[in-house]
Amino acid sequence: DAGVIQSPRHEVTEMGQEVTLRCKPISGHNSLFWYRQTMMRGLELLIYFNNNVPIDDSGMPEDRFSAKMPNASFSTLKIQPSEPRDSAVYFCASSRLAGTDTQYFGPGTRLTVL
Amino acid sequence: AQRVTQPEKLLSVFKGAPVELKCNYSYSGSPELFWYVQYSRQRLQLLLRHISRESIKGFTADLNKGETSFHLKKPFAQEEDSAMYYCALKRCETSYDKVIFGPGTSLSVIP
Repeated sequence: DAGVIQSPRHEVTEMGQEVTLRCKPISGHNSLFWYRQTMMRGLELLIYFNNNVPIDDSGMPEDRFSAKMPNASFSTLKIQPSEPRDSAVYFCASSRLAGTDTQYFGPGTRLTVL
Repeated sequence: AQRVTQPEKLLSVFKGAPVELKCNYSYSGSPELFWYVQYSRQRLQLLLRHISRESIKGFTADLNKGETSFHLKKPFAQEEDSAMYYCALKRCETSYDKVIFGPGTSLSVIP
């Protein structure tokens, strides 16, 4: 198993552009999480899904951020329009259950907004 | 609200010295606590969880409910322990409770 797959691995864009990050969870995992990692704020949970349904999106910073999970094997995190302060590493993670089960993280997408 | 604090952003120790990464939490119920680790150029991964009561790579962590702490300890640090360490907490009230991560501590083991 390749584990959680994220694409792209690196993204450089200009302020105002739309950015779409993609994630493929581990097959059979029912929960999917999107995190943002910055030096200042550490690791922040943005949103998580259980069985493709968003359970908690209280961490989504503002309306410019949106996330979807159209099926069990794919999720997207979109930023529109992007701003320089969105520059961070975005991680996707999955687990069998949202409960006590271990989360498996993807390699992350390093986003730079100029 | 639940909160996890890790007072040290950076921690440097010499190889062979004991290491302790501090973690405190605020939660009135019975939480589940974890330590995750991210080595250079590797994915963030689970290191250990308090319910397992096991030692992983020489690391142990004991949940102290009185002090609301879950410090990570290793008696003799190795260079390969250099990494970013995140303490994390999960409430156990519903099956949908999310995991809350602390800000992380970057451990550097000096040869």
